[in-house]
Amino acid sequence: DAGVIQSPRHEVTEMGQEVTLRCKPISGHDYLFWYRQTMMRGLELLIYFNNNVPIDDSGMPEDRFSAKMPNASFSTLKIQPSEPRDSAVYFCASSSGTGTEKLFFGSGTQLSVL
Amino acid sequence: GENVEQHPSTLSVQEGDSAVIKCTYSDSASNYFPWYKQELGKRPQLIIDIRSNVGEKKDQRIAVTLNKTAKHFSLHITETQPEDSAVYFCAASDSGAGSYQLTFGKGTKLSVIP
Repeated sequence: DAGVIQSPRHEVTEMGQEVTLRCKPISGHDYLFWYRQTMMRGLELLIYFNNNVPIDDSGMPEDRFSAKMPNASFSTLKIQPSEPRDSAVYFCASSSGTGTEKLFFGSGTQLSVL
Repeated sequence: GENVEQHPSTLSVQEGDSAVIKCTYSDSASNYFPWYKQELGKRPQLIIDIRSNVGEKKDQRIAVTLNKTAKHFSLHITETQPEDSAVYFCAASDSGAGSYQLTFGKGTKLSVIP
């Protein structure tokens, strides 16, 4: 398995633009997590899914953020409209959830909002 | 919700010396405590974890100890090597609640000086 795959690796956009981040979890993993990493706040859980269903989105900072998981092999995190304070590294992670909570992280998307 | 405090935020040691990173957690229901290592520009990766029914776990040069009464756990790295230089994150979760939601500490940047 290629591991968790995220795209794009880097995204530079202007304030007000829509940003869509993509994630393909490891095949067979039932849990998918979106994290945001900044120097000030560390790794913050934004939302997670179990079997494609959103379980906890309390970490989503504002209504500008939304996440979907239309099927077991694909998830998106969308920011609309984007703001400079959204600049961060966004990680997607997956886990099997079958007695182990080990997270497998993707390579992350470095987002810069100018 | 859970709150995880991690200290120190930065740590420099001479190659060959030991390094200790400490974390405290707030939720007494937490029962799973992993440690992740993140090299510069890379994704976080699990290096060791411990469950609340165990007081200590070792894997070669790394070990984790857990004190449930005091609600703190520590990572110990012996005989440090330059390749140990990275940011280390502790985390906690209450897997018994079925949430598989990890709360991370803010990280410790470890520098091993050759």
